[in-house]
Amino acid sequence: DTGVSQDPRHKITKRGQNVTFRCDPISEHNRLYWYRQTLGQGPEFLTYFQNEAQLEKSRLLSDRFSAERPKGSFSTLEIQRTEQGDSAMYLCASSRSLEAFFGQGTRLTVV
Amino acid sequence: KQEVTQIPAALSVPEGENLVLNCSFTDSAIYNLQWFRQDPGKGLTSLLLIQSSQREQTSGRLNASLDKSSGRSTLYIAASQPGDSATYLCAVSSGNEKLTFGTGTRLTIIP
Repeated sequence: DTGVSQDPRHKITKRGQNVTFRCDPISEHNRLYWYRQTLGQGPEFLTYFQNEAQLEKSRLLSDRFSAERPKGSFSTLEIQRTEQGDSAMYLCASSRSLEAFFGQGTRLTVV
Repeated sequence: KQEVTQIPAALSVPEGENLVLNCSFTDSAIYNLQWFRQDPGKGLTSLLLIQSSQREQTSGRLNASLDKSSGRSTLYIAASQPGDSATYLCAVSSGNEKLTFGTGTRLTIIP
């Protein structure tokens, strides 16, 4: 059990470019979550998967954001046409029961 | 809408002292409450999870209590050490799978 893994750890992109992040959950965890955290704030929920089904999306997840979990294992979060306001830490978490375990996050900077 | 508040936003204490961090939430209909630690620029490390039917949980020098009816939780840290310096976040689950976080308490232990 190597914990939740996120890639890349850091991403700098120009405004208007598309970016994709990957999350590998703890094996056998059927639930996977994406959160976004800006400086000085707590993480905010973006979306949630149970196996391959995306069951809930926050209103924070605009049309430029899309998340997938094609085989119920790893997940990707894509942001199209990035804006400076997208700069944040993107956190992935997984769980099998009650306790959520988080990855190290992907720090996105849009310049 | 569930709201989570953590006071104080920052706390500095000398090494060796015992301390208490506070968390309050507006909707008492929670399933569980989880305390996390976050080091600068890093992801979240789960410290303790308290189910709604429980009053407290202990792990080493950490003890978390939950008073669901009053919407409060505390995290007690005994015999603080410089390595305890981090931001501590509490989060509640209201049964819809997502966690609602507070903004955290930034703790500094002075050697």
